[in-house]
Amino acid sequence: SYELPQPPSVSVSPGQTATVTCSGDKLGDRYVSWYQQKPGQSPVVVIYQDNKRPSGIPERFSGSNSGSTATLTISGTQAMDEADYYCQACDTTTALVFGTGTKVTVL
Amino acid sequence: QVQLQESGPGLVKPSETLSLNCTVSGGSVNSGDYYWSWVRQPPGKGPVWLGYVSYTGSTKSNPSLKSRVFISVDRSMNQFSLRLTSMTAADTALYYCARVSRGTGTIYKDYFDSWGQGTLVTVSS
Repeated sequence: SYELPQPPSVSVSPGQTATVTCSGDKLGDRYVSWYQQKPGQSPVVVIYQDNKRPSGIPERFSGSNSGSTATLTISGTQAMDEADYYCQACDTTTALVFGTGTKVTVL
Repeated sequence: QVQLQESGPGLVKPSETLSLNCTVSGGSVNSGDYYWSWVRQPPGKGPVWLGYVSYTGSTKSNPSLKSRVFISVDRSMNQFSLRLTSMTAADTALYYCARVSRGTGTIYKDYFDSWGQGTLVTVSS
């Protein structure tokens, strides 16, 4: 099965840049989406198809994908960005696969 | 804006079958632009895709669940449903229904664009 490991945690100071990575075999040949999940809430897509932002998602969220690594970047991180972040890609067998998740802590 | 709402029992006994419904409002299940999906999230863990159904009734499910997952769509009721058989304690989780936006020209562009609020299902005797 296709796996998408992520670092368990990332810490960032307010106003700084947070970088969350997602790894997978030839991941750059696929499209990656990113979801933000705050405690007690449903996931919300913040980036889809590598680098597209849905309406209502702040510009400080951006994404890239190349080689075997996709990256979610949060520029000028705010306290409200503290959450779990999951990457997601598609596979011909399992269809929709989620990453292992990264807890972003704003110190 | 589309809204999805799960409904079903919060408690299921071991070996029984879980049945959940998802009611869609503000949009129609009768659209070829989307798949209608179920995702679960065990306590403290990440989400896992269970399967999806298209408006035609065609389905795809996660191979890890083998033949336990059954998903159907009811276009007249604007709903879709999940049945998960042979429940065990390992199936205890928050179950979400979600809409998958279908990518144009390739499956690799599919992503979840709307989610329900989730319903907690506990498996216990």
